[in-house]
Amino acid sequence: KQEVTQIPAALSVPEGENLVLNCSFTDSAIYNLQWFRQDPGKGLTSLLLIQSSQREQTSGRLNASLDKSSGRSTLYIAASQPGDSATYLCAVANAGGTSYGKLTFGQGTILTVHP
Amino acid sequence: NAGVTQTPKFRILKIGQSMTLQCTQDMNHNYMYWYRQDPGMGLKLIYYSVGAGITDKGEVPNGYNVSRSTTEDFPLRLELAAPSQTSVYFCASSYAGLNSPLHFGNGTRLTVT
Repeated sequence: KQEVTQIPAALSVPEGENLVLNCSFTDSAIYNLQWFRQDPGKGLTSLLLIQSSQREQTSGRLNASLDKSSGRSTLYIAASQPGDSATYLCAVANAGGTSYGKLTFGQGTILTVHP
Repeated sequence: NAGVTQTPKFRILKIGQSMTLQCTQDMNHNYMYWYRQDPGMGLKLIYYSVGAGITDKGEVPNGYNVSRSTTEDFPLRLELAAPSQTSVYFCASSYAGLNSPLHFGNGTRLTVT
C-alpha cells in the first residue's frame, strides 16, 4: 500500500528565504506526482505535475523535482513571500494493480512566511 | 471562470439524516472525484467518475452514493448520516484523468451530531 509522507509538518521562514519542502513515497511504481497548495478554508490548487519519466518541473519561483527510484520529491520555493503562506500537499498517482490511477495524498506541510 | 462549484459550504446534520452535496463544473471535464479531508489524515477518495453514466468506488465509499447523469454534475449522497462522516468534502475534476491537473472546489464542511 502506497504511503506518502511530508516533512516537515510545519515550517516558518522569514520573507526572502529560499526553502525546500519534502515528499517521500514508499512504492516507486507511480504514474505521476502533483504538488498542491491549499489556503485556509479553500480547496486545493494544483501547482506542478511531474510525470514519472520527468525529473523536474518549473513554474515561476517554484521548482519540483522527482527521484522515483529513491521515492522522493522536493518542492523548491525561491525568494519566499508572505503570500506563499499556505499548506502544501503532494499527491502520488499509483500505477498498476487495483490502485491504478488513484491519488495518495501526503498530510501536508504548513508554511508560514513572515515579513 | 466558475471552475468547480460546491454547495452548500457548511452543513450540520443530525445522526440518521440524509443530504446531498452538490458539485458542478463548467470546464467540460469528463473526470470527476469526491474526496474527504480529515485533520491529520490527508485526503481520501470516496467515489470517482470517468464520464456521464460511469461511476466507481474509491477508498472509502461506505455510507455514500453518487450519480453522474450529466458531464457537469456529480452529486454525493449521504444516507443515514453518522458522526464518522464529519469531515470536509471536496469535489474535483480533470480534463484527462490523472494525466492532467486536478481542479478542486472550495469544499463543504459537514458536521454530524
